[in-house]
Amino acid sequence: NAGVTQTPKFRILKIGQSMTLQCTQDMNHNYMYWYRQDPGMGLKLIYYSVGAGITDKGEVPNGYNVSRSTTEDFPLRLELAAPSQTSVYFCASIVGYNYGYTFGSGTRLTVV
Amino acid sequence: AQTVTQSQPEMSVQEAETVTLSCTYDTSESDYYLFWYKQPPSRQMILVIRQEAYKQQNATENRFSVNFQKAAKSFSLKISDSQLGDAAMYFCAYRTNAGKSTFGDGTTLTVKP
Repeated sequence: NAGVTQTPKFRILKIGQSMTLQCTQDMNHNYMYWYRQDPGMGLKLIYYSVGAGITDKGEVPNGYNVSRSTTEDFPLRLELAAPSQTSVYFCASIVGYNYGYTFGSGTRLTVV
Repeated sequence: AQTVTQSQPEMSVQEAETVTLSCTYDTSESDYYLFWYKQPPSRQMILVIRQEAYKQQNATENRFSVNFQKAAKSFSLKISDSQLGDAAMYFCAYRTNAGKSTFGDGTTLTVKP
C-alpha cells in the first residue's frame, strides 16, 4: 500500500518556467489537498478537492492551478514560476473529516 | 478566519522526561477537530494524535496525550518518557469544514540524551 505518492522529490526551476507536481493516492480517498511549507513555518493550503471533478481555492492559490479528473490523481500546476514559490509542497488525503491527513513525502522546489 | 498559535518556537527535554507543547486557536465554530503532527528531519509529516471537539475526554496514544480545554481554546501535547526519536518539529492543526486545516508555525523539540 503506497499511500500518497508525490513526484518529483526535488526540482529547480528558472523564473518564468512552468511545471506540474504530481500526486497520486491509492486509498480511494475522496478528499485531497495541496499545502506549501515555507522555511520555519507551518503549512498553508493552496487548493483542495472533495472529489473527482470538484476543486476549490485555499488560502494561497495565486500562481497555481489544479485539476481532479480521477479519484487517485490531483496534480498541481505552477505557471510562470516566481522566486516566491520556492517552498516545500505537500500533497495529502483523507477518507473523512475526522481523520488525520496521510501526507506524501513532499517536493522541494527552488525557483532561481 | 481561524488562527493557530504555537507560542514555543523551541523546546528541549531530557531523555525519559516529560514535555508539554502548547497550542491555542481562535474559532467561532463549535464543531471541529484538532491534530498534532510530527515532522522529523526526513521532512515526512506524521499524524501523532487527534481530538474531536465534541468529546470531553482527552485523547491518548501510547506516550502521547493531549490536554484539551475547549472554553480556553487550548490544545497542548504531552510527551511522556521522551525518546531520542521524538526529536522533530511538531505542528498543531485545526480543522473544520471540507477537511481544510489551519496549521501553527511549529515547535522544534530537542531531546537530550
